Amino acid sequence: DAGVIQSPRHEVTEMGQEVTLRCKPISGHDYLFWYRQTMMRGLELLIYFNNNVPIDDSGMPEDRFSAKMPNASFSTLKIQPSEPRDSAVYFCASSLFPDTQYFGPGTRLTVL
Amino acid sequence: SQQGEEDPQALSIQEGENATMNCSYKTSINNLQWYRQNSGRGLVHLILIRSNEREKHSGRLRVTLDTSKKSSSLLITASRAADTASYFCATDESGSARQLTFGSGTQLTVLP
Repeated sequence: DAGVIQSPRHEVTEMGQEVTLRCKPISGHDYLFWYRQTMMRGLELLIYFNNNVPIDDSGMPEDRFSAKMPNASFSTLKIQPSEPRDSAVYFCASSLFPDTQYFGPGTRLTVL
Repeated sequence: SQQGEEDPQALSIQEGENATMNCSYKTSINNLQWYRQNSGRGLVHLILIRSNEREKHSGRLRVTLDTSKKSSSLLITASRAADTASYFCATDESGSARQLTFGSGTQLTVLP
């Protein structure tokens, strides 16, 4: 298996633009997680899905953030409009109940 | 919010020495996991210890768990330069339905 795939690996955009991050989980995994990592706040869980259904989005910072999982092999995290404080590394992870999470390589987002 | 807090924040040792990192947490857990993150990469799962276990080994890794003190330690024996990375503990809180809460991490540097 190729592991969790994220795209793009790097994204540089200007404030106010829409940003879409993509994730392909490991085949057969029924949990998908979106995290954000910054130096100041560490690794934060934004939202997670089980069987394509959002279970807990309490970590999503604002309404500017939205996530979808239209099928078992694809998820998106969208930021609209983006702000400089959204600059971070965004990780997607997947897991098969009940334990270990497998992380993707991350998307480094820079909002100018 | 961060459940686990690692100690020390940074550790620098010589190749061949042992490295010990500690993690403290606040609530009841199902299990505790340790992850490694190399610079610019995603997190990689190292080892999981369940709440009813006290010690676990995997290669050069030894993990202990003391639920009465709400603490865990990760020991890396005979360290190598390739062990240089950040190490995170993550707790699966009781009743959290698959969420992991990550600590702030220990940055380990192994000098050749």
